[in-house]
Amino acid sequence: NAGVTQTPKFQVLKTGQSMTLQCAQDMNHEYMSWYRQDPGMGLRLIHYSVGAGITDQGEVPNGYNVSRSTTEDFPLRLLSAAPSQTSVYFCASRTTGGYTFGSGTRLTVV
Amino acid sequence: DAKTTQPPSMDCAEGRAANLPCNHSTISGNEYVYWYRQIHSQGPQYIIHGLKNNETNEMASLIITEDRKSSTLILPHATLRDTAVYYCIVRVNTGTASKLTFGTGTRLQVTL
Repeated sequence: NAGVTQTPKFQVLKTGQSMTLQCAQDMNHEYMSWYRQDPGMGLRLIHYSVGAGITDQGEVPNGYNVSRSTTEDFPLRLLSAAPSQTSVYFCASRTTGGYTFGSGTRLTVV
Repeated sequence: DAKTTQPPSMDCAEGRAANLPCNHSTISGNEYVYWYRQIHSQGPQYIIHGLKNNETNEMASLIITEDRKSSTLILPHATLRDTAVYYCIVRVNTGTASKLTFGTGTRLQVTL
């Protein structure tokens, strides 16, 4: 099992550009989620999904879209990047018990 | 989910036990205590969780007080690789739909 795989690891965007952060898991987990982590802070939930075709907003959803067409994939889309979205983004999945996190995508918006 | 309070930082000598406290005085009867850690800028790593009883696994032990208002994560023989930010989280374990709410955690520095 590869666990949770995130791509890309690093990305620089210009203000107003759009992009998609990819997240894939091979553990057949129903629940997947996206977090962002700003310097010196804990993780904050952006969006989550309890299964294919079902998504919901977390604590900080503005500026982001998600979809869940398959159990394995949960992409996060930035519609029009802003400097305030400069952060490290983590994808996570779980079944019962603990969460498994990806290694993160470090995004800089200039 | 109930809020948790942790000290912002702690030091521990290598080879000694690291005892990380967490207060969760408003915890509900059906909320579990979870511990995660984040090494440098990697993704958080699950350590252990418990409801009422003390728990132990290959990484750590979790001691929960009888009134469940506080807990302690114990790393029995800390190594330099245990230097990380440790997060204490309480949440309802309602199958796949429950969420994690992270605070700012405790930064543990293990020194020679």
